[in-house]
Amino acid sequence: EEQLLESEGGLVQPGGSLRLSCSASVFTFKNYAMGWVRQAPGKGLEWVSAISYGGGTTYYADSVKGRFTISRDNSNNTLSLHMNSLRVEDTAVYFCVRLTWGWLFDYWGRGALVTVSS
Amino acid sequence: IVLTQSPGTLSLSPGERASLSCRASQSVSNNYLAWYQQRPGQAPRLLIFGASARASGIPARFSGSGSGTDFTLTISRLEPEDFAVFYCQQYGSSPPTFGGGTKVEI
Repeated sequence: EEQLLESEGGLVQPGGSLRLSCSASVFTFKNYAMGWVRQAPGKGLEWVSAISYGGGTTYYADSVKGRFTISRDNSNNTLSLHMNSLRVEDTAVYFCVRLTWGWLFDYWGRGALVTVSS
Repeated sequence: IVLTQSPGTLSLSPGERASLSCRASQSVSNNYLAWYQQRPGQAPRLLIFGASARASGIPARFSGSGSGTDFTLTISRLEPEDFAVFYCQQYGSSPPTFGGGTKVEI
């Protein structure tokens, strides 16, 4: 079965930065768009960002635009999310997702907890 | 597109039928409406896409229906492992959006 494995998240102070990565296996990574979805503690799901299969096109939710950067390395089957100017409201579990049929999220990683707190 | 799920919580027993509603603020393009199940402490998993197609490995007791702005997820006979939170998502237009979730509890 397709597998997505996120790096560990962490605790960061407001205004700080953190990088998440996601390693993909079993499927042909370079053939799929990829993205991130987050879930604040006890809350619902929120799409955060996505990147085309070749990496040439990126997409962001308004809530993170200008602060987060998504990227990918198809030679190493890795997806990354660079998060800058972090806010308390960015505290969430971040899931790495595979995209198909446009914006359908067909496979999910187990998630990485990012906590923004002083 | 804003998705509104109801009810917020559904209290049922194993063997009973569950019907979950998802209503969209405008028509969902191509009926690109998906349902996900999230068990406690786990990642969501895709159950239904295209409003009514079951994803790979999903049991036949899960079915989806609806079109336009009104969609339903039905679980014909609840199994113990089905008690979880269910989310709908529209993927027909950008940005993709999720409903607030329905918790199915014993």
